[in-house]
Amino acid sequence: DTGVSQDPRHKITKRGQNVTFRCDPISEHNRLYWYRQTLGQGPEFLTYFQNEAQLEKSRLLSDRFSAERPKGSFSTLEIQRTEQGDSAMYLCASSLDRGYNQPQHFGDGTRLSIL
Amino acid sequence: EDQVTQSPEALRLQEGESSSLNCSYTVSGLRGLFWYRQDPGKGPEFLFTLYSAGEEKEKERLKATLTKKESFLHITAPKPEDSATYLCAVQTYSGGGADGLTFGKGTHLIIQP
Repeated sequence: DTGVSQDPRHKITKRGQNVTFRCDPISEHNRLYWYRQTLGQGPEFLTYFQNEAQLEKSRLLSDRFSAERPKGSFSTLEIQRTEQGDSAMYLCASSLDRGYNQPQHFGDGTRLSIL
Repeated sequence: EDQVTQSPEALRLQEGESSSLNCSYTVSGLRGLFWYRQDPGKGPEFLFTLYSAGEEKEKERLKATLTKKESFLHITAPKPEDSATYLCAVQTYSGGGADGLTFGKGTHLIIQP
């Protein structure tokens, strides 16, 4: 049973460095989402792809953040010039493209720590 | 702005002691309400989707219900393995993240043997 896969699971970096995370969705899922979760909070929506098109971005997604899904399969999330406040768990989710209310299935996330 | 509030923040129960978790929401137009379970260091695991007031869904010891303003997750005769954080989320018709989910902060549930 192949679920949503995220890599790396943990990333430690110095402030000011760039980082990139990868997400491989469930194979038949056309929709892909990125969320951020900090300790004691629920996940917060960042952005959403349908196939290779990025259809929505949250106000949380500053100019230092960029996400891509070049061939409509895996996706990458890059954070440039990392700041202390970027420390969080970055979660990826995917769902079927069959109208509304399709459940989103989450990976186990990438935990980012900024030194 | 869509808001989701979960209560209590934390709940400690004895094994076999049934209880309910609450999720109240204020949204402009609800498309669906979702319940997830999250274990430490893991991503949320999907449990239920509820679409309309009056709907109920069950899975093992869990039962989710929905009204026009809130949802309940009832846990019957819980076991220690039910210990987790339970998250409630809504998907709405409003603009700005209309396809993304808006989550509550969760209820941290501990079941003591």
